[in-house]
Amino acid sequence: EVQLVESGGGLVKPGGSLRLSCAVSGLNFSPYTMHWVRQAPGKGLEWISAILSTGTHMLYSDSVKGRFTISRDNAKSSLYLQMVSLRAEDTAFYYCVRDWGEITYQFEYWGQGTLVTVSS
Amino acid sequence: DIQMTQSPSSLSASVGDRVTITCRASQSITYLNWYQQRPGKAPKLLIYRSSNLRSGVPSRFSGSGSGTDFALTISSLLPEDFATYYCQQSHNIPFTFGPGTKVDIK
Repeated sequence: EVQLVESGGGLVKPGGSLRLSCAVSGLNFSPYTMHWVRQAPGKGLEWISAILSTGTHMLYSDSVKGRFTISRDNAKSSLYLQMVSLRAEDTAFYYCVRDWGEITYQFEYWGQGTLVTVSS
Repeated sequence: DIQMTQSPSSLSASVGDRVTITCRASQSITYLNWYQQRPGKAPKLLIYRSSNLRSGVPSRFSGSGSGTDFALTISSLLPEDFATYYCQQSHNIPFTFGPGTKVDIK
């Protein structure tokens, strides 16, 4: 069974930090680019970050660049997102997503999402 | 950034209806993908590279278009198709989505 299971979400104060994790099983992980896509409650989808298969090349949207860091551990089939300097506008469901291929930027497999709420 | 627009933003339709959703990019793009999101669920890839049906997706879904104008058509709506549909460009970073089209029951 294909599973992408995010964890680490929760309530955090503005300026705070969180680290999200995503455990992948039932899928080939290491050859594929991985992404984080977020969705504010009741709003649309926003791609925020990607990491290529080797973990040496990362991409970010302007909205999170300099504050969020994506990483991966291919031995553990896991994806991470370190978030610092969190803002109210970062409140969203965060989805872990596996790419269609090595580098296609088509979002094939999605986790169920983890909710991050930034509020005082 | 490439801006994506969709029309309509919402529509009401009946089971059996043919439905077309359009997506426009602010500049010419090579690749356009479509996703379905049911309430409370994660999005699901339906169509990739404009017109390729993902394995396991019913053939009543089809995609078309090129350049800046694209369309998703559902040939005959089933109850499980009532959802929100998003287009997404995979041409340039950031990989932007359209605002979504909500299809609900008339």
